[in-house]
Amino acid sequence: EVQLVESGGGLVQPGGSLRLSCVASGFSISPDYMHWVRQVPGEGLVWVARVNGDGSHINYLESVKGRFTISRDNAKNTLYLQMNSLRAEDAATYYCAKEVTSLGSSVMDVWGKGTTVTVSS
Amino acid sequence: DIIMTQSPLSLPVAPGESASISCRSSKSLLYRDGRDRLDWYLQKPGQSPQLLIYLGSYRASGVPDRFSGGGSGTDFTLRISRVEAEDVGVYYCMQALETPLTFGGGTKVEIK
Repeated sequence: EVQLVESGGGLVQPGGSLRLSCVASGFSISPDYMHWVRQVPGEGLVWVARVNGDGSHINYLESVKGRFTISRDNAKNTLYLQMNSLRAEDAATYYCAKEVTSLGSSVMDVWGKGTTVTVSS
Repeated sequence: DIIMTQSPLSLPVAPGESASISCRSSKSLLYRDGRDRLDWYLQKPGQSPQLLIYLGSYRASGVPDRFSGGGSGTDFTLRISRVEAEDVGVYYCMQALETPLTFGGGTKVEIK
């Protein structure tokens, strides 16, 4: 079965750090762009970051630049999101998603169930 | 950033009726290859988003043909014919022309 499983969420104080992981099974992530998308409960979807297959091409949402780092370990079939200097507004459920790279567009066809980040003192 | 505007915010539909959701972008999403960089996702209650329509009008694998996407440039429409109970949830359009990728605010479809 093709699936993505996120982990690493939790409660962190403002200014703190967390590292999210997303493990893929049933397929190899190595050829594909991978994304992080977040959602505050009851609100809409917000794209956060994406990384290409070999990690050489990365884009971020402006508000997380310099604080978040997306990376991948293709040998471990795992995507990461290192989140530093966390703010209250970063609190959300974070989803990882796989892109259908062959389409030449950021079409996300596989999504994880998400991991929840809470930022509070 | 490209702004995506969806309407309506909420859409009550009786089973068997059709539904239509509008999505407008602040910039043309038509790419040089002739395909629009506009996708539709459905988030069912308590679930993660799932891909419905990509590149404006292509149904994702396993998506019933009751769902269709249309439009081009800055104006797009998702149509659901013969709405079923399993179609309830929040529908989002998303532009993939440039980063940051941006989503519409969502349209909540519910059964009357």
